[in-house]
Amino acid sequence: AQKITQTQPGMFVQEKEAVTLDCTYDTSDQSYGLFWYKQPSSGEMIFLIYQGSYDEQNATEGRYSLNFQKARKSANLVISASQLGDSAMYFCAMREGWAGTALIFGKGTTLSVSS
Amino acid sequence: GAVVSQHPSRVICKSGTSVKIECRSLDFQATTMFWYRQFPKQSLMLMATSNEGSKATYEQGVEKDKFLINHASLTLSTLTVTSAHPEDSSFYICSARGTANTEAFFGQGTRLTVV
Repeated sequence: AQKITQTQPGMFVQEKEAVTLDCTYDTSDQSYGLFWYKQPSSGEMIFLIYQGSYDEQNATEGRYSLNFQKARKSANLVISASQLGDSAMYFCAMREGWAGTALIFGKGTTLSVSS
Repeated sequence: GAVVSQHPSRVICKSGTSVKIECRSLDFQATTMFWYRQFPKQSLMLMATSNEGSKATYEQGVEKDKFLINHASLTLSTLTVTSAHPEDSSFYICSARGTANTEAFFGQGTRLTVV
C-alpha cells in the first residue's frame, strides 16, 4: 500500500485564487511528520511547511497552510492568492517514527497558475 | 534554513565510466544523509541512508556495488555511480539532517546523463 497518496496529477488555477492540493497518508506510527515541498523545473526541493503528528493546530507559513485532519489521515496543502511563480511540482512527504528516518514522497501534483 | 550544497549540478559521462557526486552541509553537521533518485515527472525514490562513520543502508533493489556511498565526515557525503550505463541517467538529489533538525535539507540535485 502506498504510504503517501496524491490523487491529483495536475491542477490548474488562476492568479490570486486559492488552491488545495490533496494528500493522504498511511502509517501505524503515533509519531510522524508531514511535509510539503515545491519542486520547480530547476529540480531543487524547496521546503514549504511541516506538521507534526502531535501538533494540535494546523501549520501555516505565509501563503501556505496545511489542513491537517488526523482522523482522516489527510494533510492537504492550501495555497492562498496563487502567483505565477507558484507553478511547479508539489510533493507531500512523510517521516515515520523518529526524526532520523528518511522522507517518503508521494507522486506529486503539477500546479499550473495562469494569469 | 540550513544550506546543503550538491555538486555537480549537471554531468554527462560516457557509458562505462564512473561519476562522483558530492553533497556538503555548509553550516551544520550532517549526522545523516539521504540519497534519492528521481526519473522525469516521477517521485523521489530513496536509494540509501548514510550515517557519518558507518556503512550506508541501501533500499531494496538498489545495487550497493554500483552506487557507492561514502559519508566519511559530518559535512560531506559522496555518491559514486560506477560503470554508468544509459539507464542510470536520472536526477540524483541528496538531503542532510543534523541532530537538531526536524527537517532534512536538500541539495540542488545532479542531473546525470550517460551517453
